[in-house]
Amino acid sequence: QQQVKQSPQSLIVQKGGISIINCAYENTAFDYFPWYQQFPGKGPALLIAIRPDVSEKKEGRFTISFNKSAKQFSLHIMDSQPGDSATYFCAASLNDYKLSFGAGTTVTVRA
Amino acid sequence: DADVTQTPRNRITKTGKRIMLECSQTKGHDRMYWYRQDPGLGLRLIYYSFDVKDINKGEISDGYSVSRQAQAKFSLSLESAIPNQTALYFCATSDPALGDNEQFFGPGTRLTVL
Repeated sequence: QQQVKQSPQSLIVQKGGISIINCAYENTAFDYFPWYQQFPGKGPALLIAIRPDVSEKKEGRFTISFNKSAKQFSLHIMDSQPGDSATYFCAASLNDYKLSFGAGTTVTVRA
Repeated sequence: DADVTQTPRNRITKTGKRIMLECSQTKGHDRMYWYRQDPGLGLRLIYYSFDVKDINKGEISDGYSVSRQAQAKFSLSLESAIPNQTALYFCATSDPALGDNEQFFGPGTRLTVL
């Protein structure tokens, strides 16, 4: 049973639009929430991460929003570009321990 | 990431065969991991190792074994491959001394069991 549930499974967005991916977790002890980006034929790579003591973290066009009370967090990709087309995984861990990954979201940005 | 390499990159084998996937890293990290990726299931942890003498089962270790030959090398074996082990396999490393739990992934091995 996955400890982190991710939705949607896939999404299509127009260039310049906003992509939003949502994740929910059960274990309230989780203390690290990263997002990984994976291009076809490549391994996942860390995109952005957040700790539960903050509600939002922004790096360039990518923003994590974190809602501790709802046990949810989301990734927003602003001004989506064709180069953002990839699979995105949310994850969670406890005490810098092993990661539990969501099922992944395939994002397609149409030019 | 060129710092984490996996061999082979692709492998086709038959049911019942023994197969080994190898992972090497030049990052100097103590922690290494093996994951499998399946469509719709994300990445699931098979085994992890926090140092050469510390090896632990992950959530789906049945049918797999590992060997940590050195800090830089972590191998995954399928003693008797079966078709539902067809998947994409990733090795990863991490170093908590960096102040975060970022994991660095290799390019993956695509395994097909016929």
